[in-house]
Amino acid sequence: QKEVEQNSGPLSVPEGAIASLNCTYSDRGSQSFFWYRQYSGKSPELIMFIYSNGDKEDGRFTAQLNKASQYVSLLIRDSQPSDSATYLCAGTQGGSEKLVFGKGTKLTVNP
Amino acid sequence: ETGVTQTPRHLVMGMTNKKSLKCEQHLGHNAMYWYKQSAKKPLELMFVYNFKEQTENNSVPSRFSPECPNSSHLFLHLHTLQPEDSALYLCASSQGPRGGGTEAFFGQGTRLTVV
Repeated sequence: QKEVEQNSGPLSVPEGAIASLNCTYSDRGSQSFFWYRQYSGKSPELIMFIYSNGDKEDGRFTAQLNKASQYVSLLIRDSQPSDSATYLCAGTQGGSEKLVFGKGTKLTVNP
Repeated sequence: ETGVTQTPRHLVMGMTNKKSLKCEQHLGHNAMYWYKQSAKKPLELMFVYNFKEQTENNSVPSRFSPECPNSSHLFLHLHTLQPEDSALYLCASSQGPRGGGTEAFFGQGTRLTVV
């Protein structure tokens, strides 16, 4: 069973701090990884994707991928209360377009 | 119009009812998906369609029946459901592997309650 594991949290950080969200995966064949943000009662919204080892930055968000260690992380700089949501990590199941999701990490940014 | 539209947003149905969920995507994507999201569980992939052909049925009970008449529309027909089928049902689309991208974009979901 191919799995994506996330710490369910909740993770609580003060406004302006860096929030660090982590994810590990079991399928060495996974090629692509995605971070989704899901507000309560809403659908998941794609915020970042990463295919290559290393860092990828987009505004306040940085995704990091380490295929050797099979982990993916998402850093949110200068966290805002509006970043409070559940963050879902997903990876493709080796060689296919099928996405396997983690359970999500609930993030709360306190004003 | 939003990229992926689902109707209805909310649905309450009895165990003997038959209903259908509808999904439409306006992104020109080739792949469409049905996911189920239950409390405290990961998103579960149910069905995958690529270019209107079903390429994945993730051991879903036959009381869920998908239909994909074209690349833009996807239905999920429901009949004789159980209370444990109550969940948020999410439709998504992507370019698909042959289209060069696997990023999935989700609709707003249908909150289903089976009574």
